[in-house]
Amino acid sequence: EDQVTQSPEALRLQEGESSSLNCSYTVSGLRGLFWYRQDPGKGPEFLFTLYSAGEEKEKERLKATLTKKESFLHITAPKPEDSATYLCAASDTGTASKLTFGTGTRLQVTL
Amino acid sequence: DADVTQTPRNRITKTGKRIMLECSQTKGHDRMYWYRQDPGLGLRLIYYSFDVKDINKGEISDGYSVSRQAQAKFSLSLESAIPNQTALYFCATSDRDSLHEQYFGPGTRLTVT
Repeated sequence: EDQVTQSPEALRLQEGESSSLNCSYTVSGLRGLFWYRQDPGKGPEFLFTLYSAGEEKEKERLKATLTKKESFLHITAPKPEDSATYLCAASDTGTASKLTFGTGTRLQVTL
Repeated sequence: DADVTQTPRNRITKTGKRIMLECSQTKGHDRMYWYRQDPGLGLRLIYYSFDVKDINKGEISDGYSVSRQAQAKFSLSLESAIPNQTALYFCATSDRDSLHEQYFGPGTRLTVT
């Protein structure tokens, strides 16, 4: 059974204080690793897809990286508007559209 | 206007009642999904549909049914609601070339008393 585990559960940063969120996965043949952002009261918003170990994607202050066992979401010099829950999800080669989601990391960035 | 809409946004119902949650999309995507989100459990897939004639069970389909009335509409029904179906429900869509770039609706908060 596919499993996705995110840590930490919650993270509080000061504005400008860089950090990383972790997503470890166990899937029978990774097809893709996905990052989503979810704001309170809203549906998840797609951020990145990573397909193979060593791949990196960037968007503004966010950079996602992938190894054979885990993915990291690096947040550089965060701002209060980066506060959200960040979800990681994985799909395996056996199921066409099924995503297995982690429980998320709740990020709060304060002034 | 939102690309993926869900109605109602909030609903309180009693045990044993039938309830339908509706989802509409204007993105022109073929594929639609229903998820539920519970604290500490993450998002779990209930049903998904690749097109109007192709509907598939997800990991937690027991107690739920769906209907794909058109390419743009996908409804989720709880035939006889029970309290442990209290959750946040999301509809999502994707196109056939970007399966996992899923676009989510704003969610329906359902409470079963």
